[in-house]
Amino acid sequence: GQQLNQSPQSMFIQEGEDVSMNCTSSSIFNTWLWYKQDPGEGPVLLIALYKAGELTSNGRLTAQFGITRKDSFLNISASIPSDVGIYFCAGQLWYGGSQGNLIFGKGTKLSVKP
Amino acid sequence: DGGITQSPKYLFRKEGQNVTLSCEQNLNHDAMYWYRQDPGQGLRLIYYSQIVNDFQKGDIAEGYSVSREKKESFPLTVTSAQKNPTAFYLCASSPGQGRNEKLFFGSGTQLSVL
Repeated sequence: GQQLNQSPQSMFIQEGEDVSMNCTSSSIFNTWLWYKQDPGEGPVLLIALYKAGELTSNGRLTAQFGITRKDSFLNISASIPSDVGIYFCAGQLWYGGSQGNLIFGKGTKLSVKP
Repeated sequence: DGGITQSPKYLFRKEGQNVTLSCEQNLNHDAMYWYRQDPGQGLRLIYYSQIVNDFQKGDIAEGYSVSREKKESFPLTVTSAQKNPTAFYLCASSPGQGRNEKLFFGSGTQLSVL
């Protein structure tokens, strides 16, 4: 089946730093989404992207739908301690007019630099 | 407040035992989903239901069973046939076809084997 490659797997942040992560696929998607999961909780939707080339912001978060439709990027500017958690990308295809189920990446874990 | 409630938060299973995880939503969503999350892994789809009294297998349905007798409820049974049940289980819902890319997750149930 389809797989998403999300990188990096983990990273450490210092308050005030900008953070970048990405997700790539061997096949195209119609929709890209980014979710964030806090420890011991369920993921929460951050940003949804519906068109190739689309750039969307949500506060300090900015995500882009790649032109090839096979990748997406998430940037966090001026990170703060509450940004720690696991960030998941997800892709979705439409099949014959119906939405397929989401395919999730393995996540990027953000931690605070010791 | 509308949301998804999963219970219990922690659950222990003995060898050969079936256990049932509860999921209730009051968002009036048509679709509901069960995901399994293992450390360092993405979310893998177990079962999903687009409408009451109907459900479909996801990518890893073996050893699990579900029912959807009411719109609000989508319980998951982990049967004794599931040989590696230890994982974090997440229930989610979405408005339905045409809008089901936006998943709303519960807080999860951590299942461990005694």
